[in-house]
Amino acid sequence: DAEITQSPRHKITETGRQVTLACHQTWNHNNMFWYRQDLGHGLRLIHYSYGVQDTNKGEVSDGYSVSRSNTEDLPLTLESAASSQTSVYFCASSETGSKKGYTFGSGTRLTVV
Amino acid sequence: KNQVEQSPQSLIILEGKNCTLQCNYTVSPFSNLRWYKQDTGRGPVSLTIMTFSENTKSNGRYTATLDADTKQSSLHITASQLSDSASYICVVSEMDSSYKLIFGSGTRLLVRP
Repeated sequence: DAEITQSPRHKITETGRQVTLACHQTWNHNNMFWYRQDLGHGLRLIHYSYGVQDTNKGEVSDGYSVSRSNTEDLPLTLESAASSQTSVYFCASSETGSKKGYTFGSGTRLTVV
Repeated sequence: KNQVEQSPQSLIILEGKNCTLQCNYTVSPFSNLRWYKQDTGRGPVSLTIMTFSENTKSNGRYTATLDADTKQSSLHITASQLSDSASYICVVSEMDSSYKLIFGSGTRLLVRP
């Protein structure tokens, strides 16, 4: 069955370190997204991609970067981790089309100490 | 500013009872409205998707309604089960950017035996 997987599920890192969170989907979806979820807030968009070599900034992109070298993967990199980036991160994918559903991964809980 | 507000923030009901969750939004122009269920430690899972022309959409014991004139939606859960304990998230898509979703903070539902 097709799926979307995130790794690791949990990560603890130190302030200033570079961290990469992986997202891999086998749905063959063109669109992929990264969100963060914090208490008291809805999911907020970090970066998104509409296809290979395409990346776009979301509403909370500062301190994050992504790259899309193939259809299946959209890794999220924290260039220099900060305590404010402690959060749960969700990757999602969707087909092209305004009414298409999103499929979410199970999330990565990142703690920056 | 486009916003999605949900109420109540949390709700406790007894197994077998019905409940209704509310969603108000200010997103304009509006493309579609989605309800997601998020179990603890998991990613959101889609329950319903409605365009502005749809008034109601059902998925088993879940029924979503939409009033595009008043910008309100509700999610009604019938004959609740323990497995309904989760967060329910209302999500609105803007007309001019169908891949950008605006998430509410969610309603946390606890179903007790």
